Amino acid sequence: DAMVIQNPRYQVTQFGKPVTLSCSQTLNHNVMYWYQQKSSQAPKLLFHYYDKDFNNEADTPDNFQSRRPNTSFCFLDIRSPGLGDAAMYLCATSTTQRGASYNEQFFGPGTRLTVL
Amino acid sequence: GQNIDQPTEMTATEGAIVQINCTYQTSGFNGLFWYQQHAGEAPTFLSYNVLDGLEEKGRFSSFLSRSKGYSYLLLKELQMKDSASYLCAVNSGRGSTLGRLYFGRGTQLTVWP
Repeated sequence: DAMVIQNPRYQVTQFGKPVTLSCSQTLNHNVMYWYQQKSSQAPKLLFHYYDKDFNNEADTPDNFQSRRPNTSFCFLDIRSPGLGDAAMYLCATSTTQRGASYNEQFFGPGTRLTVL
Repeated sequence: GQNIDQPTEMTATEGAIVQINCTYQTSGFNGLFWYQQHAGEAPTFLSYNVLDGLEEKGRFSSFLSRSKGYSYLLLKELQMKDSASYLCAVNSGRGSTLGRLYFGRGTQLTVWP
């Protein structure tokens, strides 16, 4: 089945220790998103890739970086995690054609990050 | 700025009907989505509206009024498994951000037996 996969599902890291979360997709979608979701809050978009073009949200801290080496994979790097970065991190994909307006996003299961 | 508002919590009993409202103020509009999210899981797509009116899909229906910046999700014949958070999201992007969604905080629905 075509899907969005996130690894690991649960990640524990120490304060200040770099961590990388991964996302892969078999949908061949050209757009990939990373969201941060804290308890009882809306998913907050950190950045997204439109094909190879990186689009950073204005309020995303520099501590968060992303890489997309190919269509299928996208990584979220947190360079120096703080206690406030503990959250669920959701990866999503969509297919977006110029002129199209329908853009359902397909979400992965998420990675729950704990910072000790 | 983008503003998506929906109630924080709602409760209902099994078999009942519940309506979850969403109002939005965004700089553009390319459609409105409803997602269901169970605790600790990823959001799953429920419905999409881009034109005014009602879209029905089984027990779930979604309504949109673009002039009023208003949508609702209607859930019929409620089941215990419908207990979840329901997220309203607006696509207001342009160009390379065409797929960008702005999410509301979600409405936590609890269904009682």
